[in-house]
Amino acid sequence: DTAVSQTPKYLVTQMGNDKSIKCEQNLGHDTMYWYKQDSKKFLKIMFSYNNKELIINETVPNRFSPKSPDKAHLNLHINSLELGDSAVYFCASSQDHPSGANNSPLHFGNGTRLTVT
Amino acid sequence: QKEVEQDPGPLSVPEGAIVSLNCTYSNSAFQYFMWYRQYSRKGPELLMYTYSSGNKEDGRFTAQVDKSSKYISLFIRDSQPSDSATYLCAMSPSGGSYIPTFGRGTSLIVHP
Repeated sequence: DTAVSQTPKYLVTQMGNDKSIKCEQNLGHDTMYWYKQDSKKFLKIMFSYNNKELIINETVPNRFSPKSPDKAHLNLHINSLELGDSAVYFCASSQDHPSGANNSPLHFGNGTRLTVT
Repeated sequence: QKEVEQDPGPLSVPEGAIVSLNCTYSNSAFQYFMWYRQYSRKGPELLMYTYSSGNKEDGRFTAQVDKSSKYISLFIRDSQPSDSATYLCAMSPSGGSYIPTFGRGTSLIVHP
């Protein structure tokens, strides 16, 4: 019973296309995140939502647009895909707000491997 | 200089060896220190979590934090082939935002 699930697992597409990645968590957590892991394995935060509200928006091109229909779901839409967008995108969740009283750890999904050709 | 430095490896050891994985950092505000394990084609999973300095032990794993040197370590005793994975250190400050800063991970290979 997967706690944080992402679809699709693999996504191969051409430059200029628009694509979406979906994420769902069944942990009852309040906060969800999108991370990007590049070819050198660096994990960098992109966005975070707490109870459907955007709380973190790192320096990410505005071609990337997250959407959170409810606190259990966080989707990522990418417009006009570029070669440099190729990476593994991880969704994660945590119990609490990242600026709250508790430092609750992150629970990651298994990633979506995006290849732009 | 990146905030968190971690040697990417790979580190190859025989089964049964004691493994030492390390990270250095530059931000003295970091108070929470974590180790995540990431198997190939999987997401990172939390392995160890410590606050401030000291040691924490969990089975074959020991996490050690030396804040004076800005150096953290993860020791794995009696390493097993199933320990083969990438180990990422992560750390965050106390107060403000707890969003962790990750190291790039060390690839560990334990061969039978």
